[in-house]
This record gives sequence, C-alpha cells and structure tokens, in this order.
Amino acid sequence: DADVTQTPRNRITKTGKRIMLECSQTKGHDRMYWYRQDPGLGLRLIYYSFDVKDINKGEISDGYSVSRQAQAKFSLSLESAIPNQTALYFCATSDLRGDHQETQYFGPGTRLLVL
Amino acid sequence: SQQGEEDPQALSIQEGENATMNCSYKTSINNLQWYRQNSGRGLVHLILIRSNEREKHSGRLRVTLDTSKKSSSLLITASRAADTASYFCGGGSNYKLTFGKGTLLTVNP
Repeated sequence: DADVTQTPRNRITKTGKRIMLECSQTKGHDRMYWYRQDPGLGLRLIYYSFDVKDINKGEISDGYSVSRQAQAKFSLSLESAIPNQTALYFCATSDLRGDHQETQYFGPGTRLLVL
Repeated sequence: SQQGEEDPQALSIQEGENATMNCSYKTSINNLQWYRQNSGRGLVHLILIRSNEREKHSGRLRVTLDTSKKSSSLLITASRAADTASYFCGGGSNYKLTFGKGTLLTVNP
C-alpha cells in the first residue's frame, strides 16, 4: 500500500549496532503494527499501538523497542542487533473507524541483514 | 505461536484450474482474514469473514469458515498466472492478527 511507507528498504548492519526502522502512513489510521517475517514462519507481531499513547508488546518483543512519535509515525528499534534478527520487517496500519476496522494495510517491508 | 496453519505449504496448478487452500487456527477469533503476498512485498488484504458467517464471495474468491472445526478455506476459481503468490490466513481478535505460515501458490501458464 503506497500510503504506508517504510525506510530504509534494505539495511545491512553489524552485531551490536543500534538501528531504527521507520514507518510513516498517510492513511490517517490510529492503529499501527510491526511484524517480522522469517522464511517458513509467516509473520509474527512484534509491537502494536492503538494510538499515540498506547503501546503494546506483541508475540516477540524481546530485543526490540518502539516509539510512536505521532499518529502517522511508528518506529522500531533494535538496541543491539544480533544475527537472528535478520528478517523482513513489515509495518501495518488499521483504521479505528469505518466498516473495515479489522483490515490491515501493509508497507513494502524492510529487509534487514545483521552480520 | 502461529494462530493459523495453512495447508498445503505449496500448491502448483495450471492456469484455469481452481486452487484451494486451507487454514486451521487455534484460539477464538472475531474474524478470519486472507492476505496475499507477492515475492518480497507487503501483504495485501483479500477478504475477511466474520465468526458468525459461514461463506463469503469476492470476485473469483470464495472463503468458508467452520468455527466448530476452527478451519477456513480459500478457493480461487479460474486461476491466472498473476495469482502466483503466497497466501496467508490471519485470525483476528481485538484488532490484532495472528498469521499462519502461508501457502505458496504457483499458477503455470
């Protein structure tokens, strides 16, 4: 969905480095999510936020932190990257209002390689 | 842990044939959603079926839901080469989704 953007699209980093992945959306949605995707494991929820003041851990939050800087921005940080955090990371949004509240809209993904 | 488990993991068919993918889930859900992912790209929502619905159609897609068996199926009729993608089911509850591992569908021209 072009209304959900992620930067960077690709990143190579070294073990122990701190990195931030950013997500911005122009959809006006309140809810935002971070997932990681590993081959053969599908998508797993890392963190989610239902509004600027509401941040919640997902299934696999250890080693990650997030910041909801504004309604439109939700960043994911790896404080000290490790090789098993190598994955494809997706941001998603959903709308608090309307008839499609449960539908999620995904960004294009960030491919992260930790050496 | 995965909410949904898709079956089969991979499916290869000829153009024009129908493709059926199944999904089983573990816990209670408010809805079951199917998404499509082209290689390396973000997921795109296809269809949502609520827990009080049994069947839903959208174009060439037909989804069924059996809450007693905690299972759903996605049928794509008259498949096209452009349908080649991975398909994921996601169990929805409290505006969160828990996804399965996906089915890789290959439609051969």
